[in-house]
Amino acid sequence: AQKVTQAQTEISVVEKEDVTLDCVYETRDTTYYLFWYKQPPSGELVFLIRRNSFDEQNEISGRYSWNFQKSTSSFNFTITASQVVDSAVYFCALSEPRSSNDYKLSFGAGTTVTVRA
Amino acid sequence: DSGVTQTPKHLITATGQRVTLRCSPRSGDLSVYWYQQSLDQGLQFLIQYYNGEERAKGNILERFSAQQFPDLHSELNLSSLELGDSALYFCASSVGLAGFAGANVLTFGAGSRLTVL
Repeated sequence: AQKVTQAQTEISVVEKEDVTLDCVYETRDTTYYLFWYKQPPSGELVFLIRRNSFDEQNEISGRYSWNFQKSTSSFNFTITASQVVDSAVYFCALSEPRSSNDYKLSFGAGTTVTVRA
Repeated sequence: DSGVTQTPKHLITATGQRVTLRCSPRSGDLSVYWYQQSLDQGLQFLIQYYNGEERAKGNILERFSAQQFPDLHSELNLSSLELGDSALYFCASSVGLAGFAGANVLTFGAGSRLTVL
């Protein structure tokens, strides 16, 4: 079963529009971590945010914001006032405990965001 | 520059051949991870090493092997290559095993693109 589901394969917006990327995860653990990574056209994955399962506080970082809803197992990501440089593939990931001091990281399929000028 | 160095950046080879991909982790990082990214499979975890020891195995084929050396660099060996092995292979590193501090953030290299003809 897919641990992390990113239902949107591709999203295309015009510059300055807001875009929200959905992420739904599945786990039986009470302690886990969620991540978002960005993969720009250059190819390198870049860390954006980490959130632990006990912290449901939403976070805003510049034009980026994240909405963690434990009740619906969702960790959605919004880009406000999108820019062409935001064009990239965005991955949601779930880190689950594998042993007392080790975790396993599972990635979603990614959502390709294209921002047109 | 993430600090994780992967070589070669591009590699073209023929079916049945063997190649070695190399990764130097970010300074101070003890854990090295290998991921395969292909169009049909997405980002797949292959294997993880911590301070020279194998820690976890993911979807790594028996034709593939890896090791982490005393200087912490790692090599991924791919043998009896098939067309389906064509993919982008990422190395990532982190400070260490996740412990009470939670899951570590992975720092990814730029990847090695393997094309098998």
